[in-house]
Amino acid sequence: DTGVSQDPRHKITKRGQNVTFRCDPISEHNRLYWYRQTLGQGPEFLTYFQNEAQLEKSRLLSDRFSAERPKGSFSTLEIQRTEQGDSAMYLCASSNTQGTEQYFGPGTRLTVT
Amino acid sequence: AQSVSQHNHHVILSEAASLELGCNYSYGGTVNLFWYVQYPGQHLQLLLKYFSGDPLVKGIKGFEAEFIKSKFSFNLRKPSVQWSDTAEYFCAVKINSGYALNFGKGTSLLVTP
Repeated sequence: DTGVSQDPRHKITKRGQNVTFRCDPISEHNRLYWYRQTLGQGPEFLTYFQNEAQLEKSRLLSDRFSAERPKGSFSTLEIQRTEQGDSAMYLCASSNTQGTEQYFGPGTRLTVT
Repeated sequence: AQSVSQHNHHVILSEAASLELGCNYSYGGTVNLFWYVQYPGQHLQLLLKYFSGDPLVKGIKGFEAEFIKSKFSFNLRKPSVQWSDTAEYFCAVKINSGYALNFGKGTSLLVTP
């Protein structure tokens, strides 16, 4: 399978704990995006990487959120001191240099109890 | 405020009925337009996209969409739906100079036999 992969697929954590998600984009794609989707809503943009550079961050990305893409390949999204409002599906997408089409992964469903 | 509006949140159709899902956006300037589909238990997949040229765009599985610039609309159509079209449909807009996809809230389509 050469699509976008995400790990884990599901994560249950207690409020106040830190969590980290991983995204592996399609290998030849240099652009990587994180989105968050809550029930009954469409995905909302969080952040964007071109290679290892984080070029855009949404105001939704509070100080508790940090994303990295250290070698321009896989990316991690960390949430510190999780809150119940962080419960959502976290989606990763990647695209080529032209950015004409974003390919989405299966997502990581986070439940904060 | 910039937004993407999908007018129908839940649609129920019988097989062979025609489908039209509305999408309006409020972004100025040049935009790229997309329809994504999410089948039950699967990840987001691109149905079709519009960047420029012929405003009538054909996508996969018999879907098409028409870009009407004067109405800021990009409605999705299919002449005859099948049970397998049961899914969540999302309209998305990307500002030409930007990176993020801005999604509508989605339309849940149920096709009954």
